[in-house]
Formats: sequence, C-alpha cells, structure tokens
Amino acid sequence: AQSVTQPDIHITVSEGASLELRCNYSYGATPYLFWYVQSPGQGLQLLLKYFSGDTLVQGIKGFEAEFKRSQSSFNLRKPSVHWSDAAEYFCAVGAGSGTYKYIFGTGTRLKVLA
Amino acid sequence: EAQVTQNPRYLITVTGKKLTVTCSQNMNHEYMSWYRQDPGLGLRQIYYSMNVEVTDKGDVPEGYKVSRKEKRNFPLILESPSPNQTSLYFCASSKGGPPDTQYFGPGTRLTVL
Repeated sequence: AQSVTQPDIHITVSEGASLELRCNYSYGATPYLFWYVQSPGQGLQLLLKYFSGDTLVQGIKGFEAEFKRSQSSFNLRKPSVHWSDAAEYFCAVGAGSGTYKYIFGTGTRLKVLA
Repeated sequence: EAQVTQNPRYLITVTGKKLTVTCSQNMNHEYMSWYRQDPGLGLRQIYYSMNVEVTDKGDVPEGYKVSRKEKRNFPLILESPSPNQTSLYFCASSKGGPPDTQYFGPGTRLTVL
C-alpha cells in the first residue's frame, strides 16, 4: 500500500539558516512526488514536483527537492530560510496508473526565529 | 482569474442534517478531488473524479457522496453528518490526474454538533 511519512512534526530554524524537511514514501512503482506549502488559514500551494528525469527538482520560492529511489526519499531543502517561510509543509505521492489517488503525509510545521 | 471556489466557507450544522458543499473550477480541468484535513493526520483524499460521470473512492469515502454531472462542478454531499466529520475540507482540480498540478480551493470549515 502507498504511504508517505514525514517524521518531523515540528521544526524550528533561525532566519538565514538552511532547511531540510524529510519525506519517505512507500510505493510499488516509480511515484509522482509533490511538496505543498500551507500558510496559516490558507489553502495549499504546490512548491515542486517530481515525475521523471533529473532527480534534483527546483521549485518556487527558492526550494528544491531530491528524489532518491534507493532511500525512498524526497527531501525538501532551502539554503537560506526567510521569516515568510513559516508554514506547514506537506509531502504527497500520486498514483498514475490504475488508480489516480493521492496520499499526503501528516505535515511538518516550520517555525522561523528572527 | 483561474480559480477553485468552494461554498460555504464555514458551516455549523447538527448531526443527521443533510448538507452539500459545492466546488467549482473555471479552468476546464478533467480531474477534481475532495480532501479532509485533520490535525496530526494531514490531508486525506475522500473522492476524486477523472471526468464527468466518473468518480472513484479515495482513502476515506465512508459517510460521503459525490457527483460529477458537469465538468466544472464537483459537490460533496454528507447525507447524515456525524461529529467525526467535523473537519476542514478542500476541493482541488487539475488538468489530468497525477502528475498534473492540483489547484486547491480556499477550504470549508465544517462543524457537526
């Protein structure tokens, strides 16, 4: 069965520090992988996605993620965090054949210290 | 402006009183989906639709119904709401299924007393 694990419920970083949010997935085939951000009281916005090709994916707002098949991981990174990055981040996997379901992780809430 | 709209944005109701949450998109998208968001559980997919008259279950379909009679609309129906359906609900649409980018509505906060 498909599953997505985000092991860190909360992460706190100082403004200007680097960030890595972890995501591990379980899926039988090559997955479609996504990172979304949800600012307080808002809907979800896509940061980036992986579906084929280069395993290092660039997204909006200076974020990137790397797909590592051997580790079943799709970690999100940012070299220098801004106070406006404080939000909740969700990793998701999408099935592209047979079913067209999405499975989301439980989210990581990021706090940024000034 | 391309968007996904949901109505109502907030709803308080009582157990057993049928309700419908509407979802509409103006992007001519084939794929539409409903999610519920609960603290500590993230988003869970309720139902999705690949096209008109084509719907399928997500991971938590119990207690919900959907219909897709028109491409732009995908209402979520709770025929007999219960308190455990108190949640934040999101509708989303995309051109096709995964990996196409999903666009999310603003959410509907539902409280069932």
